[in-house]
Amino acid sequence: AQSVTQPDIHITVSEGASLELRCNYSYGATPYLFWYVQSPGQGLQLLLKYFSGDTLVQGIKGFEAEFKRSQSSFNLRKPSVHWSDAAEYFCAVGPNRRSNDYKLSFGAGTTVTVRA
Amino acid sequence: ETGVTQTPRHLVMGMTNKKSLKCEQHLGHNAMYWYKQSAKKPLELMFVYSLEERVENNSVPSRFSPECPNSSHLFLHLHTLQPEDSALYLCASSQASTSGGNEQFFGPGTRLTVL
Repeated sequence: AQSVTQPDIHITVSEGASLELRCNYSYGATPYLFWYVQSPGQGLQLLLKYFSGDTLVQGIKGFEAEFKRSQSSFNLRKPSVHWSDAAEYFCAVGPNRRSNDYKLSFGAGTTVTVRA
Repeated sequence: ETGVTQTPRHLVMGMTNKKSLKCEQHLGHNAMYWYKQSAKKPLELMFVYSLEERVENNSVPSRFSPECPNSSHLFLHLHTLQPEDSALYLCASSQASTSGGNEQFFGPGTRLTVL
């Protein structure tokens, strides 16, 4: 079964500082990995995704993530955080390309607070 | 604009009421999902519809009843809910395929409060 762990429940970062959010996954086959962001009172918006190929993927809003198979990780990074990046971030894994299982498994989320 | 809309955005209901949540996707996708998001909990997948057939029901109580009349619309009918059902209900859609990798697109959610 697929699962995702986001070890950090809450991160506070200063505006302009760098941000890294951790994500570890458990999956028996080639993973498909996603990062979503959720602003208060809103749905989830896709930031970026990894399917195959280059292990460093670029997303929207200046975010990037690096897939490391040896560490089963897919950490999200941003070099310089803006106040508008304050939100909740979710890592997700799935689906399995060899089956019709197209469900995503989500981590519990990391809340990011940006201080001036 | 995510291409997935949900109405109403907020709903307050008593435990004896009957109400419905509506989701509409304008992306031409063939799969739709209902999730429940409670505070400090991971997203809980409730139902999955693929090509208008329900393919997943994660042990959801019968007081929640989904309906998918066509590939663009998804409803969640609610009756005799409990206060612990108060949550944000999210709808999502995707283009499901056997090759996998289909990302899900989410609506803004309906904030449900059960009194």
